[in-house]
Amino acid sequence: EILMTQSPATLSLSPGERATLSCRASQSVSSSYLSWYQQKPGQAPRLLIYGASTRATGIPARFSGSGSGTDFTLTISSLQPEDFAVYYCQQDYNLRTFGQGTKVEIK
Amino acid sequence: EVQLVESGGGLVQPGGSLRLSCAVSGFTFRTYWMSWVRQAPGKGLEWVANIKEDGSDKYYVDSVKGRFTISRDNAKNSLYLVMNSLRAEDTAVYYCAREVRLGPFRPFDYWGQGTLLTVSS
Repeated sequence: EILMTQSPATLSLSPGERATLSCRASQSVSSSYLSWYQQKPGQAPRLLIYGASTRATGIPARFSGSGSGTDFTLTISSLQPEDFAVYYCQQDYNLRTFGQGTKVEIK
Repeated sequence: EVQLVESGGGLVQPGGSLRLSCAVSGFTFRTYWMSWVRQAPGKGLEWVANIKEDGSDKYYVDSVKGRFTISRDNAKNSLYLVMNSLRAEDTAVYYCAREVRLGPFRPFDYWGQGTLLTVSS
C-alpha cells in the first residue's frame, strides 16, 4: 500500500496570502499519478488538480500543482475567502490512497 | 446533469450486514470505473473499493477485503456495496464517486452526497 503524508496538518493564513501544501508518497507514484481535492464542511470533495499539475474543469488559475515521483505541492497563489477548507492529495498509481488532509484556516 | 445518489445507510450492530446503493444519472454509467470512498466522523477520506466498467475487475483496501463486496448493475445505472461483519471502525459517511479517465489518470470527478453508516450496539 502506498502511504500519502501531507504537511502541515493545519495552515493558518490570511486572505490574499500564498498557501503551499505538501504531499509525500511512501514510494514513487510514477511521474504524476497524483490528484488534489478540496472539501468544505458538509460537502463532498471537489477535484482540483489531476496528473499532479493539470487543473480540473472550472478550477481557477490561482490553484496550481507541481512535483513528481514522491514529492508534490499544491499552491494557492492568493487565498480567497472561499478557499478556506481541507485539502487532500490522492494517488491513483497503485489502487488509491488519500493523504490525511491539510486544513487551511483563516488566521 | 451528472448525479450520484447514495442510499442504504443506517445504524447496524457490530457483526451485522448492510447494502449501500448508488443511483446515477446524467452520464453513460457503463463506460466508467466507479469507487466507494468513506470518511469517518471528523476524519479524512479513505478509498474503499472500485469496480471496472463491466464489473470484471474489483479492488479493495486491505481493511475491508473479505468483508465488503462491490458490484454494479449497468442496466439499472446502479452501484452497490455489500458490507458484512461490520465493525465500529466502519462507521463513516460512504460516498460513491465516478472515476474519469483523463489520459493515463483516473481521478474522482463526481461524488454523491454520501450516506452515513453507524456501527454500534
